[in-house]
Amino acid sequence: ETGVTQTPRHLVMGMTNKKSLKCEQHLGHNAMYWYKQSAKKPLELMFVYSLEERVENNSVPSRFSPECPNSSHLFLHLHTLQPEDSALYLCASSQALTAPTGELFFGEGSRLTVL
Amino acid sequence: KQEVTQIPAALSVPEGENLVLNCSFTDSAIYNLQWFRQDPGKGLTSLLLIQSSQREQTSGRLNASLDKSSGRSTLYIAASQPGDSATYLCAVTYNAGNMLTFGGGTRLMVKP
Repeated sequence: ETGVTQTPRHLVMGMTNKKSLKCEQHLGHNAMYWYKQSAKKPLELMFVYSLEERVENNSVPSRFSPECPNSSHLFLHLHTLQPEDSALYLCASSQALTAPTGELFFGEGSRLTVL
Repeated sequence: KQEVTQIPAALSVPEGENLVLNCSFTDSAIYNLQWFRQDPGKGLTSLLLIQSSQREQTSGRLNASLDKSSGRSTLYIAASQPGDSATYLCAVTYNAGNMLTFGGGTRLMVKP
């Protein structure tokens, strides 16, 4: 148990659906992250939030829309996805964006399949 | 472009063997380096974190070293066990922010 909880763990959706992934951290951290892990590719950073403000957006398509209503919760809203968006989506948190220790804590991930 | 490479991509060893996993990075101006473990279908578990000023970190049977000048880190696992079977990921931070650049991972299988 890392203190970072992601729901749902598995999600199957059609290309016309709208769904959301949720991440919640119970560590009192101020920075949260979305990573994408596709088969045979390194983890890719998608979004970074620090104190509820987005500080990084790595050229992610607009069909992925993040939301950070407070420092404990992070959402990834999904709409009109493509089959190539099927992947494991990992949420992580850290004490701060520039914490001295720089340690990240990851959730278990949400396995997304787009049909 | 900053890249992190892990070789080999997969490794199979008999139980009890000592082994070394390799990680290399193209830009030596790193802030820190982390080793993670990932079990199939699961998230990442942080194993060791080495700050740029450090040369190595140890936790139980694990020892991670860092050589910034050569752009390399190694993860040494002593007396491997079947429970060590997992994918091991190396990740580097290039500035004071915690935005990691990951390697592709090494998939380790320890056979009983």
